[in-house]
Amino acid sequence: GAVVSQHPSRVICKSGTSVKIECRSLDFQATTMFWYRQFPKKSLMLMATSNEGSKATYEQGVEKDKFLINHASLTLSTLTVTSAHPEDSSFYICSAPVVGGDTQYFGPGTRLTVL
Amino acid sequence: GDSVTQMEGPVTLSEEAFLTINCTYTATGYPSLFWYVQYPGEGLQLLLKATKADDKGSNKGFEATYRKETTSFHLEKGSVQVSDSAVYFCALTESGGGADGLTFGKGTHLIIQP
Repeated sequence: GAVVSQHPSRVICKSGTSVKIECRSLDFQATTMFWYRQFPKKSLMLMATSNEGSKATYEQGVEKDKFLINHASLTLSTLTVTSAHPEDSSFYICSAPVVGGDTQYFGPGTRLTVL
Repeated sequence: GDSVTQMEGPVTLSEEAFLTINCTYTATGYPSLFWYVQYPGEGLQLLLKATKADDKGSNKGFEATYRKETTSFHLEKGSVQVSDSAVYFCALTESGGGADGLTFGKGTHLIIQP
């Protein structure tokens, strides 16, 4: 089946710094990727839709300037958490559907801890 | 907006027991429904799906039927195994699963004891 990877799997950073998380589709092309955030014992919440070659679409309540998304190629989307604060600590997960398909494939997630 | 409600766990069962995890939804249109499973240390994997009313999704002995009249998509398995221990997420999308993101329930942690 289709494989989606994320890097890094976990990252610890200081408050005020920026962190970049990569999401790659390894064996298929994805014109669209999705970024989710998962809090402990909570469901995954869709943050934004990453579109190859165009601007990302953000869900209501998600700060565009804080969570920068770039979808530079058909296999790579990046999420940059800018000026991170402890409340940004969370588990970030990406997913991607195969072009023309209806099933989404999920990455293993990235654990972000902001000190 | 859309929402998914599922029973929260942990749910603890003995091996070979019958499993039901309830899931109900609210949606403005006619959503596609999914069950995803997350094994420890791994990413979410699609378990099964149903795209229209009365459809039954099935995989690995699990099944769920899309019930429009009760807005439900309960997950069932006749005889669980220790290897089924995982977190199960019910989810929906209005677009068919590819064009839009998913709306998830909070997840149900299932623990199967030998």
